Amino acid sequence: GENVEQHPSTLSVQEGDSAVIKCTYSDSASNYFPWYKQELGKGPQLIIDIRSNVGEKKDQRIAVTLNKTAKHFSLHITETQPEDSAVYFCAPRPGGGKLIFGQGTELSVKP
Amino acid sequence: DAGVIQSPRHEVTEMGQEVTLRCKPISGHDYLFWYRQTMMRGLELLIYFNNNVPIDDSGMPEDRFSAKMPNASFSTLKIQPSEPRDSAVYFCASSPRGSGEQYFGPGTRLTVT
Repeated sequence: GENVEQHPSTLSVQEGDSAVIKCTYSDSASNYFPWYKQELGKGPQLIIDIRSNVGEKKDQRIAVTLNKTAKHFSLHITETQPEDSAVYFCAPRPGGGKLIFGQGTELSVKP
Repeated sequence: DAGVIQSPRHEVTEMGQEVTLRCKPISGHDYLFWYRQTMMRGLELLIYFNNNVPIDDSGMPEDRFSAKMPNASFSTLKIQPSEPRDSAVYFCASSPRGSGEQYFGPGTRLTVT
């Protein structure tokens, strides 16, 4: 089955700095690559996704890049703000309807 | 749209009791997922349905767990009998056909004493 690893597990940055979280996966059949943000006491929320025929996608301060050959994709957050503090999950889809969630990265943005 | 609705939001029960968690997916979504989240094991998929039919229940931990989806707007996850190790946050999510995007409910925090 799909093996998903996220790095780092925790990340602390100063407000205004950039943050990058990397996700590696094992199943070459994976074709959909989303990132979720989970705030304390809430369910995960989709923030950006990319499909296998695209290398990069941007939405304001967040972007996702995909390297299918190396089987990894990354979340980039620029100009971080305190409200970006949360746990972030990657969740590649190996096929069918289900996503395989990584272990999460706890991002802390210090004012 | 109100989003995915889960009830109850919190449940405290004693070991051995039956627990039923409820979920109303977003109208028009074809897929429904049940997840469990703990610090130790992270976010685990328990089971998912497509058009009310269970497709993959390989994540259901044991026979004490069962899930049903009698119609497109309602699903239940039942634990009978409950054990302390079942304590976790249980999430329901729904997804429109073909998109892959999953929309999560607020979760049910279950505590089994």
